[in-house]
Amino acid sequence: DAKTTQPTSMDCAEGRAANLPCNHSTISGNEYVYWYRQIHSQGPQYIIHGLKNNETNEMASLIITEDRKSSTLILPHATLRDTAVYYCIVRVANSGYALNFGKGTSLLVTP
Amino acid sequence: KAGVTQTPRYLIKTRGQQVTLSCSPISGHRSVSWYQQTPGQGLQFLFEYFSETQRNKGNFPGRFSGRQFSNSRSEMNVSTLELGDSALYLCASSLDKASYEQYFGPGTRLTVT
Repeated sequence: DAKTTQPTSMDCAEGRAANLPCNHSTISGNEYVYWYRQIHSQGPQYIIHGLKNNETNEMASLIITEDRKSSTLILPHATLRDTAVYYCIVRVANSGYALNFGKGTSLLVTP
Repeated sequence: KAGVTQTPRYLIKTRGQQVTLSCSPISGHRSVSWYQQTPGQGLQFLFEYFSETQRNKGNFPGRFSGRQFSNSRSEMNVSTLELGDSALYLCASSLDKASYEQYFGPGTRLTVT
């Protein structure tokens, strides 16, 4: 699986958009980008995934650059409950379920 | 529908003992994975089961083992506990081999004294 690089921590004001970057410059053509988050004392939660095209669901949007070397997770209107560690994971689909979580980005949403 | 459940939620054991943790996946899910989370190492993959067969295994010693039953429920066992085994043990379930999403339980907090 390709390695990912994320900032260690970020802050965001409540109500504003939170843009979490992820670098995956060694991604290969059949690898997907997945995002999970872990709120303190809970298990990780799936957010969104994508291959090439931008994706949006009820939780977030995922923007993948044309060369696929980086992506951005966007929480359009961050709330205090979005304070969590966000993990960007790159892996081949259907390759087994081992997720390499890495260190992630600790997002703090402030009032 | 009900989420992934793990029992017990908290456990305190002594070095040298063994422990069994249980995971009930979401109804209809056939794949179960286990992870260990510690402050120093983060989330690390232990093993994955699908249809009662272990499909993948992480880099953990043989003291860590698991199994899956015909109803997809899974157990993991740690023998000869060490202080370093103190961690949050997380179970995740997926619908089948083609699923992109894993759904995690709340975890079992194991403390070894």
